[in-house]
Amino acid sequence: SQQGEEDPQALSIQEGENATMNCSYKTSINNLQWYRQNSGRGLVHLILIRSNEREKHSGRLRVTLDTSKKSSSLLITASRAADTASYFCATVLFMNSGGYQKVTFGTGTKLQVIP
Amino acid sequence: EPEVTQTPSHQVTQMGQEVILRCVPISNHLYFYWYRQILGQKVEFLVSFYNNEISEKSEIFDDQFSVERPDGSNFTLKIRSTKLEDSAMYFCASNGHLRTEAFFGQGTRLTVV
Repeated sequence: SQQGEEDPQALSIQEGENATMNCSYKTSINNLQWYRQNSGRGLVHLILIRSNEREKHSGRLRVTLDTSKKSSSLLITASRAADTASYFCATVLFMNSGGYQKVTFGTGTKLQVIP
Repeated sequence: EPEVTQTPSHQVTQMGQEVILRCVPISNHLYFYWYRQILGQKVEFLVSFYNNEISEKSEIFDDQFSVERPDGSNFTLKIRSTKLEDSAMYFCASNGHLRTEAFFGQGTRLTVV
């Protein structure tokens, strides 16, 4: 099974509603990041949460991390049509002296926000 | 804010041709990576590079692929004899020392026809 698996695979909500996406992983991590990707475009870094943090906020984004359950969630509050995109989690493990990083991406959640 | 720059943003090439994807990592970074994302799929690790040599590569990174840091600023991915299945978005990333965050470029979309 894969390091980063997200659920749901697809999520469709009305504008103004909250969207919650979950990410589960299997190995130890040093930090976990969330990215957004519009169709056919590049990765936009949203937020990074370190393994010793439990929750982090950035604007309308709230990320939680539960290292005991090896899971993270991304909450987008008061969603907008412009939030329509795919969202990926990425686990980061520092290797050796901490310079080289093993980054493993999840399978992604495709979010559609209906105006 | 410093950023990783990739060129071109989109490249179309004929099957069997060689392509070179270019990346300019953040200037004081020391660790460099290439990732690939086939359309509709997740981002997959290809290779990492440090101190002028490959530190790790995935099963995807076979003899068809090579990486190089030809000068002090560029980091390139060469794909020899491209196949249709090489069509994907290729992302470059870099990070500095001491557990600093890795930064990703905006990607190069490679289309093999």
